[in-house]
Amino acid sequence: EAQVTQNPRYLITVTGKKLTVTCSQNMNHEYMSWYRQDPGLGLRQIYYSMNVEVTDKGDVPEGYKVSRKEKRNFPLILESPSPNQTSLYFCASSTGGRSIQYFGAGTRLSVL
Amino acid sequence: AQKITQTQPGMFVQEKEAVTLDCTYDTSDPSYGLFWYKQPSSGEMIFLIYQGSYDQQNATEGRYSLNFQKARKSANLVISASQLGDSAMYFCAMREGGGSEKLVFGKGMKLTVNP
Repeated sequence: EAQVTQNPRYLITVTGKKLTVTCSQNMNHEYMSWYRQDPGLGLRQIYYSMNVEVTDKGDVPEGYKVSRKEKRNFPLILESPSPNQTSLYFCASSTGGRSIQYFGAGTRLSVL
Repeated sequence: AQKITQTQPGMFVQEKEAVTLDCTYDTSDPSYGLFWYKQPSSGEMIFLIYQGSYDQQNATEGRYSLNFQKARKSANLVISASQLGDSAMYFCAMREGGGSEKLVFGKGMKLTVNP
């Protein structure tokens, strides 16, 4: 089954404790992206990757890192999480070429 | 300036009736794409329908259709024969040209289907 898989689905952590949210897709998609969703704000792009080893900032990159060492994986790294990073995070992927983006199930993160 | 505007915070509709969800957009790019996604209470984002700016006909996908009025810069989603399972948040999104894949989302609107 074609899918975008995020882990974990739920995470509660404390300020300053490094964490990684994994994202994997099995559709051989070139393009992958991370968004965060906050009440009343819709979804905003954090980082994106056009292909392996090619990443760039989105609209709200502060406090986040990403890497794209393999085509299928695009982890989101929070080196020192803060409470304002409490949010619902989505990974998305597409073939690029202006195609439809498919989303993972989301990761609900709480930073205390 | 807000690029995607969804002005209806919430709507109620009776089961089996049709409902229109409004979306207006703002872009100076002649090449763009418009999307609708559904987010049920479980949280996932489900792709519903896509309309390209150069598409001559309005997009349709089963019970979903997109009323695309380019001159008015609107891309309203029409759901025919509403079902209880259609109760969810709905997001309109736009992808502009220039090779960017980024989606810009509206703030969403909540649809409740009553039995």
